[in-house]
Amino acid sequence: DTAVSQTPKYLVTQMGNDKSIKCEQNLGHDTMYWYKQDSKKFLKIMFSYNNKELIINETVPNRFSPKSPDKAHLNLHINSLELGDSAVYFCASSQVLGTLNQETQYFGPGTRLLVL
Amino acid sequence: DAKTTQPNSMESNEEEPVHLPCNHSTISGTDYIHWYRQLPSQGPEYVIHGLTSNVNNRMASLAIAEDRKSSTLILHRATLRDAAVYYCILRDGNSGGSNYKLTFGKGTLLTVNP
Repeated sequence: DTAVSQTPKYLVTQMGNDKSIKCEQNLGHDTMYWYKQDSKKFLKIMFSYNNKELIINETVPNRFSPKSPDKAHLNLHINSLELGDSAVYFCASSQVLGTLNQETQYFGPGTRLLVL
Repeated sequence: DAKTTQPNSMESNEEEPVHLPCNHSTISGTDYIHWYRQLPSQGPEYVIHGLTSNVNNRMASLAIAEDRKSSTLILHRATLRDAAVYYCILRDGNSGGSNYKLTFGKGTLLTVNP
């Protein structure tokens, strides 16, 4: 069973379009994340949600809007796509059982977005 | 999160042990040391973490220096499947909301030769 799944796996689209990436986790975790990995392979946090509430928004453009309909889902909607949005987007989830500095995150397989 | 320094790349032969170093000279007393790895075309996966004592699990061992300013991830017998980028990450002891994230550096690209 896939713990953290993302759809689609690949997304090719034109500049200016609006697209969504979906993420689901079946681990019963209460925290979910979106990370972006650019062409230089740097992985950076974009958003964190805990119990459906936004707790981290790392200076991401307003064109990116995460939505968490329930604890198991965290979707990412991107408006007016730009060339620079081309990257791999990873969803992750975690459950903080003790202290946050011992938390383990589980990542999805990634969505490869190419904006033409 | 405090900064870590890792070699850009390392090479190993299959079935030999691999020692991946990480320096974290500014680590604070409550920072945990975490290791994640990212196999080609996959998302990162958790490997191991520790605070002061050495740790072992089915994937690897983590050796932490007595002064905690460095640590080493040990793969006891490298396989081709271990070829990946390995990230050493410090997790802040502060439980504030801003710490609900992993801060990835460049990591070490491990190549395993058959």
